[in-house]
This record gives sequence, structure tokens and C-alpha cells, in this order.
Amino acid sequence: AQTVTQSQPEMSVQEAETVTLSCTYDTSENNYYLFWYKQPPSRQMILVIRQEAYKQQNATENRFSVNFQKAAKSFSLKISDSQLGDTAMYFCAFLEYGNKLVFGAGTILRVKS
Amino acid sequence: DTEVTQTPKHLVMGMTNKKSLKCEQHMGHRAMYWYKQKAKKPPELMFVYSYEKLSINESVPSRFSPECPNSSLLNLHLHALQPEDSALYLCASSQVLAGVDTQYFGPGTRLTVL
Repeated sequence: AQTVTQSQPEMSVQEAETVTLSCTYDTSENNYYLFWYKQPPSRQMILVIRQEAYKQQNATENRFSVNFQKAAKSFSLKISDSQLGDTAMYFCAFLEYGNKLVFGAGTILRVKS
Repeated sequence: DTEVTQTPKHLVMGMTNKKSLKCEQHMGHRAMYWYKQKAKKPPELMFVYSYEKLSINESVPSRFSPECPNSSLLNLHLHALQPEDSALYLCASSQVLAGVDTQYFGPGTRLTVL
């Protein structure tokens, strides 16, 4: 069974600084997607960024970027210029072809002013 | 537009009540999902519909009954729930099921069972 591990239950960062959230996963497949979802206290699960496993280039969305290391099965999220609105629970998720979305346990990120 | 809507936002019900949760998407997606989420935990998959047919039922108790009346709508009928069923219920949709595709989530319904 596929597993996703987020080893940091909670993190905090000062406003305007950079923070990196870690995620590792386990699979024997070659074709899959990886996602980071953000869930603020308002509870809406929002897609932050996604990475196709066949693409070597790391995905970037404005202040959010990933470091995808396929051989190491690692998928970390970097948030630059952190803002108060980035305060949320962040879930790393893994999706294989024709299969179910598997979530990590989540990391609570607090951005401090 | 990647919007999934859910109604109601909040629901309080007694253990003998019957209520329904509603989910709607107009993105032309053909796969729709129900998840249950407890506080500070990841979502747990309950049901998946693909082309309006139930594809996955994750051994959910029969007091939860899903329904997909058309390609845009997904309902979750609730009956004789238990207090431990109190949770956030999330709906999601994706273009297709049999593929690697992004799921987009609705804002959820916060359910409290008294």
C-alpha cells in the first residue's frame, strides 16, 4: 500500500521568511502525481501545487515551489515570503493511476507577525 | 473555474433525524467523491462515483447513503447517525477516475450529531 509521511506535525515561521515542509512517500509505480493541499481554519481544502512524476522540472506557483526528488521519493514544499494568510494545515498527497488519493498526516504551519 | 459547492455549511441533527448533504460542480468532471474529516486529521475517503455509478465504497456504514442523480450533483443521505459521525464532510471532483488527475474540493459541511 502507498504511504505518505509528513514528519513535521507543526512548524512556525516569521512573516516574510521562507519555510520548507517535508514529505516522503512510498511507491513502486513510475506514473503518479503528487500534490500539496492547504486547509486554512476556514476549512476549504485548496490545491497549492502539483507535480507529475514524469516531469523532472520542479513545479512552481508564485511563492510556492517544490523540491521533487524521485529517486529519494521526497516531495518538499517551499513557501517564500511567508504571509499571515499562509497559516493553515498543509497536506501532502499522492495519486497513482486509477487509484485513490493518499494523504499524509498533515503539517500545521503558523506564520507569525 | 474550479469550484465545487456544498450545502449546507453547517448541520446539527439528532440521532433519529434524516438529512442530506448536497454537492455540486459545473466543471464537467465525471468523478465525484465524499470524504469524512475529523479535526486535525487528513480526509478519509468514503465513496467514489464515476460516470454517475458508484465505483468505490470504503466499507462505510449503511446509515450513510450516497446518490448521484446526474453528472453535476452528488448527495449524501444521512439517517440514524451516531455522535461519532460528527465531522467535516468534504466533496471533491476530478475529470475522470481511471487516470491520474487532480481532485478539487468543496468547502465542506460541518456536521454535528447530538
